[in-house]
Amino acid sequence: AQSVTQLGSHVSVSEGALVLLRCNYSSSVPPYLFWYVQYPNQGLQLLLKYTSAATLVKGINGFEAEFKKSETSFHLTKPSAHMSDAAEYFCAVSAPSDYKLSFGAGTTVTVRA
Amino acid sequence: NAGVTQTPKFQVLKTGQSMTLQCAQDMNHNSMYWYRQDPGMGLRLIYYSASEGTTDKGEVPNGYNVSRLNKREFSLRLESAAPSQTSVYFCASRLGFEGSYGYTFGSGTRLTVV
Repeated sequence: AQSVTQLGSHVSVSEGALVLLRCNYSSSVPPYLFWYVQYPNQGLQLLLKYTSAATLVKGINGFEAEFKKSETSFHLTKPSAHMSDAAEYFCAVSAPSDYKLSFGAGTTVTVRA
Repeated sequence: NAGVTQTPKFQVLKTGQSMTLQCAQDMNHNSMYWYRQDPGMGLRLIYYSASEGTTDKGEVPNGYNVSRLNKREFSLRLESAAPSQTSVYFCASRLGFEGSYGYTFGSGTRLTVV
């Protein structure tokens, strides 16, 4: 079975600072990995996904994530935080034969002016 | 371009009442899902439908039933609501059943059971 662990339930950054959200996965087969963002009182939106084409994946809103097999990680970064990045972020994993995505517990990002 | 539409957006129920949450997608997706979201627990799968005509239990199916009415619609029913079912419910769909497909989510139904 596949699972993900998001390190840190809350992250606070200053506007303009680096955003780093950590995700580690567990999978017995090569995984597919996803990052979703949820703004207050909204549904989840796909930020980016890894499906083995390239280890560095670029997404929307300036976010990117790097797949590191040796570290079983898929951390999400953005070089310069903006106030509009305040949201909850979810990492998710799936496998080729999986019937579902498995989600982490989420990380809430606060951006300080 | 509606995507996934959920109704209602908010609902308050008394313990023991029943209700149906509606979900419809207009993207010709084959697979549909119902999740619940609770603080600190991420999203937990209640039921899913891999394709029209099939439904299966997820991680937390107790107290719920589903119907895949047609390819577009997938409803979730609470037969006798309990306070433990207070949550935010999300419907999602994806094009295929294979793991590389991501989900498209609806905007959620916020349910309170008193």
